Parts: sequence; structure tokens; C-alpha cells
Amino acid sequence: GAVVSQHPSRVICKSGTSVKIECRSLDFQATTMFWYRQFPKQSLMLMATSNEGSKATYEQGVEKDKFLINHASLTLSTLTVTSAHPEDSSFYICSARDLAGGLGEQFFGPGTRLTVL
Amino acid sequence: GQQLNQSPQSMFIQEGEDVSMNCTSSSIFNTWLWYKQDPGEGPVLLIALYKAGELTSNGRLTAQFGITRKDSFLNISASIPSDVGIYFCAGRGETSGSRLTFGEGTQLTVNP
Repeated sequence: GAVVSQHPSRVICKSGTSVKIECRSLDFQATTMFWYRQFPKQSLMLMATSNEGSKATYEQGVEKDKFLINHASLTLSTLTVTSAHPEDSSFYICSARDLAGGLGEQFFGPGTRLTVL
Repeated sequence: GQQLNQSPQSMFIQEGEDVSMNCTSSSIFNTWLWYKQDPGEGPVLLIALYKAGELTSNGRLTAQFGITRKDSFLNISASIPSDVGIYFCAGRGETSGSRLTFGEGTQLTVNP
């Protein structure tokens, strides 16, 4: 399957700081990228969908000003958690989809573990 | 919105046994996907299904797209210890665009 990378794999930060997470599609062009959040022993919750060159579409209840998403190129999307607080601690996972390849499915990155102290 | 019910929540089996898990949805889906997630990792796509009635295999894994388009199952034959993990079903409906809805996951434990 297609390869999606995320960086960093884990980050620990102080409350009030901002954290940027990068998601890259390594061997295909991702026309659409998705950001998910996963709490321990729970399923994946979609936060937002982003298409290259346009604004992200956020799911209900997700604050767009807190979770800034930029999909500046066909291989890179970034999620910035602004003014992070302990309740933002979670496992953040991106996925990418190559619609140009026909039925191209969502391939997931390895995730980023965010811990806010 | 769309909801997916995945069962069972967890399974404890002996190595060599077969496993079956399933998902049902409240609405019609056009796509069913099955993913496996290991601890601390992102989900890995196992099988993708696009047509009602479609039966697809990937090694010891077999999945089917239900003919009602509201359910799917995943079977694992002759389980081995490395099958341990969380299995998620995911579906895409007629009105959801690219968005996937995920089931709650099935935690599989295989005892050697």
C-alpha cells in the first residue's frame, strides 16, 4: 500500500504552547488528507478533511481556530494545535487518499502521540 | 449521522482457531474497509470492498460486503500470535463523500 509519514512521532509540551504535526504522502499525490484523533481504547474520530489548496472542512465540535490545518501541497498537510492544554493530549493520526488513482483508499500515517503537561 | 456497530468488542482465542467479526450500519454503504491497528501505530488497510456481495481474501483474511449493503464481516483463519491487535471496520456512505465512519474496534488476543 501507499506510504504516509508523520512527524514527530511523539511530542511533550507545556500548556499554552503550540505544536505542529506534519503528514506527508511519500509515494503518491494526496488530493485529500484527513486528521483523526484517538483516545485510549477508543475508535478514530475524524477532526477535519483537507483538500490541497483549499480550506479544511471541520467536523462538528472541532474548533477550527484551535486546530489549524494547512494542505499547501499534494504531499504535505500540517496540523497545528494552538495553545495546547492537557485535555488536548491524544494520539493524532493523519490519512491520505489518492483520488487520481481511481478508487484509491485512505492510508494512515503512524500517528503522533501528544502529551501536554 | 451514520453509525457503525462492530462486534464483538474483544475476543480471546487460542492459536490456530478461526475468528469472525462483523459490522452493521444504520444506512447503506458504498464502501467497506477493514483495518488493523497495533499499539502506538496507525491503522493498516487489510481489505477494501466496493460491491454488494463481494468476497475478498488477503492471505488468511477474508471479508465480505453484505448484500443489503448495511453489513460486512471479516474472518481470520488459523490465527497466529501476530494477529493480535485491534481490528476496525470502516465504511463510506452515499452522502459522506470521502469521509469514513469507523466502528468501535475488536480487540483480538491470541494465546500461543
